[in-house]
Amino acid sequence: GAVVSQHPSWVICKSGTSVKIECRSLDFQATTMFWYRQFPKQSLMLMATSNEGSKATYEQGVEKDKFLINHASLTLSTLTVTSAHPEDSSFYICSARTSGGRVKNIQYFGAGTRLSVL
Amino acid sequence: GEDVEQSLFLSVREGDSSVINCTYTDSSSTYLYWYKQEPGAGLQLLTYIFSNMDMKQDQRLTVLLNKKDKHLSLRIADTQTGDSAIYFCAEWRAEKLTFGTGTRLTIIP
Repeated sequence: GAVVSQHPSWVICKSGTSVKIECRSLDFQATTMFWYRQFPKQSLMLMATSNEGSKATYEQGVEKDKFLINHASLTLSTLTVTSAHPEDSSFYICSARTSGGRVKNIQYFGAGTRLSVL
Repeated sequence: GEDVEQSLFLSVREGDSSVINCTYTDSSSTYLYWYKQEPGAGLQLLTYIFSNMDMKQDQRLTVLLNKKDKHLSLRIADTQTGDSAIYFCAEWRAEKLTFGTGTRLTIIP
């Protein structure tokens, strides 16, 4: 299957700092990428849909000024957690959806980033 | 209802078949998926089925789709210790994936 690379896999930061997480589709182009948050022992919660070349669409209750998303190319989306606080500590997972070629409408996931804010 | 529902836990003896069930919400969903998540990892796509299919088999995995009842199942034949994980079903609805609660599969030696 296709590969989605997410970096870093683990980050520890001080409260008040900003953290950037990268998501790359390695062998396909993705006009749409998604960012999820997962709490322990729970399912994935969609935070936002990232569209190449346009503004992200945020789910209800997700602060767009807190979680900045940039999708500057067909293979890269970034999520920046601004002024992180301990309550932002979580497991963040990105995903990219195929839009063309032989296999369409399949969503592949990165390995996740564990964010710990001290 | 609005939620995609799954049983939270399933225990199966090594070598037996595992059947994980899912009830989804939208009869017009075009694609339905099964993902596997191991501890501390992202989601691995196991298989998917298009809504005009009733069954799909891929090696040890068999997916059954009952559109009338909006029921999806994943059967894992000859379950191995490496199959221990959380399994999520998901439907493509309103331009996004909606996930089930996840089923934690435990293998009994």
